[in-house]
Amino acid sequence: QSVLTQPPSVSAAPGQKVTISCSGSSSNIGNNYVSWYQQLPGTAPKLLIYDNNKRPSGIPDRFSGSKSGTSATLGITGLQTGDEADYYCGTWDSSLSAYWVFGGGTKLTVL
Amino acid sequence: QLQLQESGPGLVKPSETLSLTCTVSGGSISSSSYYWGWIRQPPGKGLEWIGSIYYSGSTYYNPSLKSRVTISVDTSKNQFSLKLSSVTAADTAVYYCARTPYYYDSSGYPAQDYFDYWGQGTLVTVSS
Repeated sequence: QSVLTQPPSVSAAPGQKVTISCSGSSSNIGNNYVSWYQQLPGTAPKLLIYDNNKRPSGIPDRFSGSKSGTSATLGITGLQTGDEADYYCGTWDSSLSAYWVFGGGTKLTVL
Repeated sequence: QLQLQESGPGLVKPSETLSLTCTVSGGSISSSSYYWGWIRQPPGKGLEWIGSIYYSGSTYYNPSLKSRVTISVDTSKNQFSLKLSSVTAADTAVYYCARTPYYYDSSGYPAQDYFDYWGQGTLVTVSS
């Protein structure tokens, strides 16, 4: 059971838009930055979004992030077959035992 | 270009201690801007943060693993290491090392921001 809640799977057709939600609490998402990671099969996770809505160099603007209260959302527009991957949200939890938390991950299928 | 590379035994016996090292190249582990972390992923499952260390030796650990985890740093070798004791089959996973910038949270304590550079990962199997 992850501290951050993500839907196990989402799907959409090529060219369409999809959103992936990440729900937490005031001790984590509510008061800290959220980041998103893409993991293609058999590879290490790759940073997609950091500080809620910033994209690292080289990440296309088809990927976007937002945060509201204790939830965050990853958006992907113009879906491509190469976007089919697992996506994870993550953030710091500033409770008494300060620690990093990941969401359980969402499998994106591009139909 | 910063690179991280995990190394260590791929097979560990139950009840023994898992030991891995992450070697950082293309940058200094002594940078004051970053923590250095370990993350693992059991086969077919999600990511789990294990812990992180600052070059000074300051550490944060996952509360669920804290009793069994030790992370250390060797700035002279530009390496940091993970030890996980009393392993069981549940510790079988791909282990990643990664770099993480930090900021100060609303209480003034360091908070890790994101993981920007990752190693390729190394599979550790716990089996007799």
